[in-house]
Amino acid sequence: LAKTTQPISMDSYEGQEVNITCSHNNIATNDYITWYQQFPSQGPRFIIQGYKTKVTNEVASLFIPADRKSSTLSLPRVSLSDTAVYYCLVGDGVSSNTGKLIFGQGTTLQVKP
Amino acid sequence: DTAVSQTPKYLVTQMGNDKSIKCEQNLGHDTMYWYKQDSKKFLKIMFSYNNKELIINETVPNRFSPKSPDKAHLNLHINSLELGDSAVYFCASSAVGTIYFGEGSWLTVV
Repeated sequence: LAKTTQPISMDSYEGQEVNITCSHNNIATNDYITWYQQFPSQGPRFIIQGYKTKVTNEVASLFIPADRKSSTLSLPRVSLSDTAVYYCLVGDGVSSNTGKLIFGQGTTLQVKP
Repeated sequence: DTAVSQTPKYLVTQMGNDKSIKCEQNLGHDTMYWYKQDSKKFLKIMFSYNNKELIINETVPNRFSPKSPDKAHLNLHINSLELGDSAVYFCASSAVGTIYFGEGSWLTVV
């Protein structure tokens, strides 16, 4: 399973756009890229998933370049409530392999007023 | 309705005791997990069950024993608790490629 690398921490201010980049140089052809968000005292929750190009939902956008060796999670106009840890995972989407996905330390995003 | 629920949320107990954490999911998923999150926030998988059968058992002391009475439940029993077992334990279930976590159980061993 592909290993991911992302910044340990980031700071931002309310109203700014935040981009968190994840490197996954060994991504396989069948792998999808998934981002999770974890608030203090809660379990991680799914934010967005993509395979290539761009995916957008009501929470975030995910940009994936053609070589798929990295991905960028974009959070538009963050608020204080977006302060959380963000995890990038790569896996083939096969149910039996889902539990083998490796959560690293994630990126701790601190949004300031 | 909470999709993945686990109890208790907080548990403080003495070394040497035996304790259990219960987990239930109402998502109809076939696969359930137990994860451990340590003080440095690393999330590590402990066990994975698919349709009540163990499919992943990472290097975990055999004091930890999961039990799945049916595919909607996966309980975690811990014998002879040690100080190093203090952590947050998350139950989860998954559809293809997406993991749904419970709220966590904060275990403190004193």
